Amino acid sequence: GENVEQHPSTLSVQEGDSAVIKCTYSDSASNYFPWYKQELGKRPQLIIDIRSNVGEKKDQRIAVTLNKTAKHFSLHITETQPEDSAVYFCAASIGNTDKLIFGTGTRLQVFP
Amino acid sequence: DVKVTQSSRYLVKRTGEKVFLECVQDMDHENMFWYRQDPGLGLRLIYFSYDVKMKEKGDIPEGYSVSREKKERFSLILESASTNQTSMYLCASRRFPGATNYGYTFGSGTRLTVV
Repeated sequence: GENVEQHPSTLSVQEGDSAVIKCTYSDSASNYFPWYKQELGKRPQLIIDIRSNVGEKKDQRIAVTLNKTAKHFSLHITETQPEDSAVYFCAASIGNTDKLIFGTGTRLQVFP
Repeated sequence: DVKVTQSSRYLVKRTGEKVFLECVQDMDHENMFWYRQDPGLGLRLIYFSYDVKMKEKGDIPEGYSVSREKKERFSLILESASTNQTSMYLCASRRFPGATNYGYTFGSGTRLTVV
């Protein structure tokens, strides 16, 4: 079946450095790729998303890139801050449906 | 502010009990989902509903059923709770495709412990 692989599972960076989280997906028909941030004890919240007709999208310190040929997409966080510390999940749509399949999550720790 | 509300934050049930997890959204969203979240496994889809009285199995439906009698409410039912159903359960909703915002809105989650 379809799956999404996410790496790394944990990531520690110094404040001000960049962080990159990578995901690969198996379903070539996937057309929607959101990223969610889940702070400790809170609900996952959408931080950025990209559709398959776009190669890159940026929102302030956060950017997502998509390589459809290689079937992978990445989250880039620049100038990291302690409040960026959280678990980040990538997801991919199952084909052109409303359903998402999620990666296993990356725990990001930003040290002051 | 849009909201997805799950009725219980923490729940402790005994093995064999029938358990109801309730989710209500006030955004008039057509699609609603139930996921379970386990460490190292991410979020896995249990069931999905795209309209009232409509439902579709996700990746791990065994041991669960759902009910959607009204658009705003989507219930997850554990017919006979077992210890391997101890988990965090997350409800989510989103608008029908074609809308500009495709993102899911999640509830705060219900942490269920089966003893």
